[in-house]
Amino acid sequence: SAVISQKPSRDICQRGTSLTIQCQVDSQVTMMFWYRQQPGQSLTLIATANQGSEATYESGFVIDKFPISRPNLTFSTLTVSNMSPEDSSIYLCSVLGGVDGSYEQYFGPGTRLTVT
Amino acid sequence: KQEVTQIPAALSVPEGENLVLNCSFTDSAIYNLQWFRQDPGKGLTSLLLIQSSQREQTSGRLNASLDKSSGRSTLYIAASQPGDSATYLCAVRGDSSYKLIFGSGTRLLVRP
Repeated sequence: SAVISQKPSRDICQRGTSLTIQCQVDSQVTMMFWYRQQPGQSLTLIATANQGSEATYESGFVIDKFPISRPNLTFSTLTVSNMSPEDSSIYLCSVLGGVDGSYEQYFGPGTRLTVT
Repeated sequence: KQEVTQIPAALSVPEGENLVLNCSFTDSAIYNLQWFRQDPGKGLTSLLLIQSSQREQTSGRLNASLDKSSGRSTLYIAASQPGDSATYLCAVRGDSSYKLIFGSGTRLLVRP
């Protein structure tokens, strides 16, 4: 299994500002994912981040709003830009692991963001 | 487009009961299905992973079954405890995509 840490664990931010969330994994992984969970909702995939290539964004999410970096196989950042109250969510980092192609997915503890 | 539905949305049971959570998906072309637990305001903990070729997986008091042809999975929790109180999420991965598609979850409360 993979152990994932995220920083910060929570933050309260003012509208119009930006926040960068860090994700660190204890092993090298090819595929990393960023999810958003709005209050009372299930998880929605924001983007897939592979090392050495541009992130692939899902419909409804754009790079200008959610720029992602993936400098190596154990680390990624997600920035939430020009925040509004609608961005208040839990943001979760996730990696694809598992042995022999089992493709088990693991999640970090999440970053709880409140925008005022 | 794959859609995942979980029933019931919420469940309250007395301690000690055996219970079943249901998950259904519309596209049977899946690679695997994963059950997660989420405590309030926290990340997801993987409970069980079932590959498309498997019928069930067991871990302790948890048993998950998969009927791919009918698009259904169940999570059985035996002898429930208050510590089992959490939201349980079902997610499927298609056989042509790395994406996990999540259900909306079942919020479980086990009363002492």
